[in-house]
Amino acid sequence: QKEVEQDPGPLSVPEGAIVSLNCTYSNSAFQYFMWYRQYSRKGPELLMYTYSSGNKEDGRFTAQVDKSSKYISLFIRDSQPSDSATYLCAMSVGTYKYIFGTGTRLKVLA
Amino acid sequence: EAQVTQNPRYLITVTGKKLTVTCSQNMNHEYMSWYRQDPGLGLRQIYYSMNVEVTDKGDVPEGYKVSRKEKRNFPLILESPSPNQTSLYFCASSSQGSTEAFFGQGTRLTVV
Repeated sequence: QKEVEQDPGPLSVPEGAIVSLNCTYSNSAFQYFMWYRQYSRKGPELLMYTYSSGNKEDGRFTAQVDKSSKYISLFIRDSQPSDSATYLCAMSVGTYKYIFGTGTRLKVLA
Repeated sequence: EAQVTQNPRYLITVTGKKLTVTCSQNMNHEYMSWYRQDPGLGLRQIYYSMNVEVTDKGDVPEGYKVSRKEKRNFPLILESPSPNQTSLYFCASSSQGSTEAFFGQGTRLTVV
């Protein structure tokens, strides 16, 4: 069993839809939870991070962490074609050694 | 501009021919690392470095070497590349205590 599981997709949604992306994990010691966005032919860029449990909101993006279920989510409201990318979840015990999910490919159709 | 620079961006080589992929960051970050990205496997850490002259193995270190003689540079060395090292490689850096890793643009390596 992988430490971090993420559905690879692809996920296709119409413009304006609410998108839900998820990861599950097995290591209860993880404390830092991150979402990276990776456009084609580019390196990943940090989108959001959450420490421990709870929600965090930034514009159209909301990150949720449920440590009791070992489950994290990223919600995208009013999705735009420019949101089309691969979304990677990442987790770590400390602030340096990250374990990444395989990434979910998202396509937002205009 | 703050950035992580990798070179080359694309490389095709033959089995057994030593190669080096360079990585340089201009943010004075202490922490640097190398990842490989493969379909269905995601990003896997190869090696990381906490600071100058301090390096350690990640999850998939076999067949790779690194060195950290200067804070800004963290080259990845493949002494004898094999076809199973064909992959997309990323270098990343972050400052001590930060959760944000800055990634380079990637190096697509093909070993034939």
